[in-house]
Amino acid sequence: DQQVKQNSPSLSVQEGRISILNCDYTNSMFDYFLWYKKYPAEGPTFLISISSIKDKNEDGRFTVFLNKSAKHLSLHIVPSQPGDSAVYFCAATNTGNQFYFGTGTSLTVIP
Amino acid sequence: KAGVTQTPRYLIKTRGQQVTLSCSPISGHRSVSWYQQTPGQGLQFLFEYFSETQRNKGNFPGRFSGRQFSNSRSEMNVSTLELGDSALYLCASSLWGARETQYFGPGTRLLVL
Repeated sequence: DQQVKQNSPSLSVQEGRISILNCDYTNSMFDYFLWYKKYPAEGPTFLISISSIKDKNEDGRFTVFLNKSAKHLSLHIVPSQPGDSAVYFCAATNTGNQFYFGTGTSLTVIP
Repeated sequence: KAGVTQTPRYLIKTRGQQVTLSCSPISGHRSVSWYQQTPGQGLQFLFEYFSETQRNKGNFPGRFSGRQFSNSRSEMNVSTLELGDSALYLCASSLWGARETQYFGPGTRLLVL
């Protein structure tokens, strides 16, 4: 049972525009959420996280929004750059140590 | 600091065989988690080890097992390989585990024929 879902397998965006990647979860006990970026032939690298006590966290061009009532989070990248082209995974956890990952969204930023 | 290393990077096995994958965490990290990545399934959590003890286990059959050594290095073993075990196996380490940023290795690509 997929507790974290990324319903868009792919997304294409023009350079300089905003990229919005979405993630939905089903477990209301999740209280910590992360986004990872993965390039081919490399392991995922941490991008940004958010605790459930917040609804927004910003780090440079990356902002994560959390809507607990909708069990939805999104990652905004502004402005998008060609180097942002990668697969993005969202992940969630509760008080335990197990992380649940989504299936990933492949972002292509077109120059 | 050196990153997480995984060996081997690529592996081809046949059905019924067994395989052992190795992971060396970042120096000082005591938590090691293993994930299986397949197309359409994302990263599926296999298990997590901390101080040589399995602390969490995902929903995988008993054919998947692991262990952690006193130097925090970890191995995972898959016995009686099936075609569906073909995947990228990723190892991630962190200092203490819970709710911390995990640092991933490049993965071991396993192909079962």
